[in-house]
Amino acid sequence: GAVVSQHPSWVICKSGTSVKIECRSLDFQATTMFWYRQFPKQSLMLMATSNEGSKATYEQGVEKDKFLINHASLTLSTLTVTSAHPEDSSFYICSALTYGLAGGLAGELFFGEGSRLTVL
Amino acid sequence: GENVEQHPSTLSVQEGDSAVIKCTYSDSASNYFPWYKQELGKRPQLIIDIRSNVGEKKDQRIAVTLNKTAKHFSLHITETQPEDSAVYFCAASINFNKFYFGSGTKLNVKP
Repeated sequence: GAVVSQHPSWVICKSGTSVKIECRSLDFQATTMFWYRQFPKQSLMLMATSNEGSKATYEQGVEKDKFLINHASLTLSTLTVTSAHPEDSSFYICSALTYGLAGGLAGELFFGEGSRLTVL
Repeated sequence: GENVEQHPSTLSVQEGDSAVIKCTYSDSASNYFPWYKQELGKRPQLIIDIRSNVGEKKDQRIAVTLNKTAKHFSLHITETQPEDSAVYFCAASINFNKFYFGSGTKLNVKP
């Protein structure tokens, strides 16, 4: 299957600093990537949809100024947690959507390895 | 957005027994329903999916059923094995535009 790589896998930062997480599709072009936050009780919460060449669309309740998403190329989306605080500590995981052979409404979602953020 | 609910949150079965995980969704426009398996420390991976024009789909020991009227879908695992132990997530999507996930079910298969 397709490969999605996420970096870093874990990061520790001080409160008030910014952290950037990268999500790369290694062997396919991903026009659409999704960012999720995974809580300790297992749920995957959709934060935003990242579309190549356009602004990300954020889910209700997600601060776009705090979680900056950039999808500058067909293989890279980045999530920057700005002015991080301890409550931002979480597991962030990206996913990229492949498309069917005809490029139509088909495809599979592949996940990155996830990034564990700890804000001190 | 779409609201996907998943039950149970934890499920413990004896090896060889069947396991059933159920999900409901709120948006009747949802037309694609994948299931993901996440083993400890690993990323979620697709195990089976179903589209809204199909009522049931089977792949060896795994099957998924969909009831569009009731807006619920279920994952069925037969002849469970210890390697089936993992967290399972259901999801719902409208035309692959977004994917909303259930809260996950931790399945424990006891040898």
